[in-house]
Amino acid sequence: DGGITQSPKYLFRKEGQNVTLSCEQNLNHDAMYWYRQDPGQGLRLIYYSQIVNDFQKGDIAEGYSVSREKKESFPLTVTSAQKNPTAFYLCASSISGTGTDTQYFGPGTRLTVL
Amino acid sequence: AQKITQTQPGMFVQEKEAVTLDCTYDTSDPSYGLFWYKQPSSGEMIFLIYQGSYDQQNATEGRYSLNFQKARKSANLVISASQLGDSAMYFCAMSGKGAQKLVFGQGTRLTINP
Repeated sequence: DGGITQSPKYLFRKEGQNVTLSCEQNLNHDAMYWYRQDPGQGLRLIYYSQIVNDFQKGDIAEGYSVSREKKESFPLTVTSAQKNPTAFYLCASSISGTGTDTQYFGPGTRLTVL
Repeated sequence: AQKITQTQPGMFVQEKEAVTLDCTYDTSDPSYGLFWYKQPSSGEMIFLIYQGSYDQQNATEGRYSLNFQKARKSANLVISASQLGDSAMYFCAMSGKGAQKLVFGQGTRLTINP
């Protein structure tokens, strides 16, 4: 089945640690995205990538980093510089990233800082 | 800048009734897309329906239809014959041509009562 997988489902981090969230897709989509969702809120864009080896900052990129070495994979690292990382993180992909393409989402990773 | 407004924080509907979830938007782009997503308690964002700004007819997908009124900048979601499984958060989102992100509203929590 084609889809987007994210791991882990739940992640606990101690303050000062970096953690990496995994996102993989087998939809053959060119574009991939990372969003953050805080309780009772909509989603906000962290980073996006329209093609391998290229990515751009979204609205709230500070304290996060990404890589796009393979078309299928777009991992997100939450660094110790992120002041309030506890949130729900959603990865998405779309065919080409031209704006009006439908974005499909993975099941999400819930990150809690202890 | 693009903006989505969902004015209904919560809706309560009896099973089998139709329900309309409100969404208004603001954009200066002539070409844009409007999306509705469903987020059950599990957290995954499930794509429901899409309307392009140049589409002449309202979009429909099974029990979902989008009441698109371009002059009023509204894109309301209509769910016919509601079911208990429709209980979830519903998000309206938009994207413009050339824009790589979805802009989300705050969401509406829909509860279907038996």
